[in-house]
Amino acid sequence: SQQGEEDPQALSIQEGENATMNCSYKTSINNLQWYRQNSGRGLVHLILIRSNEREKHSGRLRVTLDTSKKSSSLLITASRAADTASYFCATEGSYIPTFGRGTSLIVHP
Amino acid sequence: NAGVMQNPRHLVRRRGQEARLRCSPMKGHSHVYWYRQLPEEGLKFMVYLQKENIIDESGMPKERFSAEFPKEGPSILRIQQVVRGDSAAYFCASSPRGPGQGTEQYFGPGTRLTVT
Repeated sequence: SQQGEEDPQALSIQEGENATMNCSYKTSINNLQWYRQNSGRGLVHLILIRSNEREKHSGRLRVTLDTSKKSSSLLITASRAADTASYFCATEGSYIPTFGRGTSLIVHP
Repeated sequence: NAGVMQNPRHLVRRRGQEARLRCSPMKGHSHVYWYRQLPEEGLKFMVYLQKENIIDESGMPKERFSAEFPKEGPSILRIQQVVRGDSAAYFCASSPRGPGQGTEQYFGPGTRLTVT
């Protein structure tokens, strides 16, 4: 399957803690993207990492990519209650971007 | 610069009726994707269109579902003779370039279809 799979399915942490989500995939990719979805809303693009990159930062977000293990991780540092959402990875090769089931993150104030 | 617009936001249909979902992509975007999302699940790709052409409809059921993206006007996802299993959130996304080019997709707010 080309689809990325996020792990864990659900994550509950306290405000200020770091949150780490993982994404594994099975086929070669050109890039991998992370999206966030707030309840009842559409997805919002967070960050893109290309297959020749190993790490990328954007504000409190840090994404890593290990193509040898076919996995990526999204780290949110110093989490806030507003970070509560579902997070999806989307893998893209020469095909349509495919999304996993997502990680549901709850940040308790 | 308005984002991707979808309407209606909520749609209730009885079994056997038709559902028409509309998507207006961002200005300048000629690539449109439709996805379906069931509760607690990820997005399932349905169809990818580029102005006036269906490029990939591999995720769309062969029967009762159709999509179009005319030269003028919004993209339309049409579901005929709806059944309860069609109840889901349908999201549209647009991008300025096609897949495989590391292009960010911009998503609309979705249409929540309920079939009674």
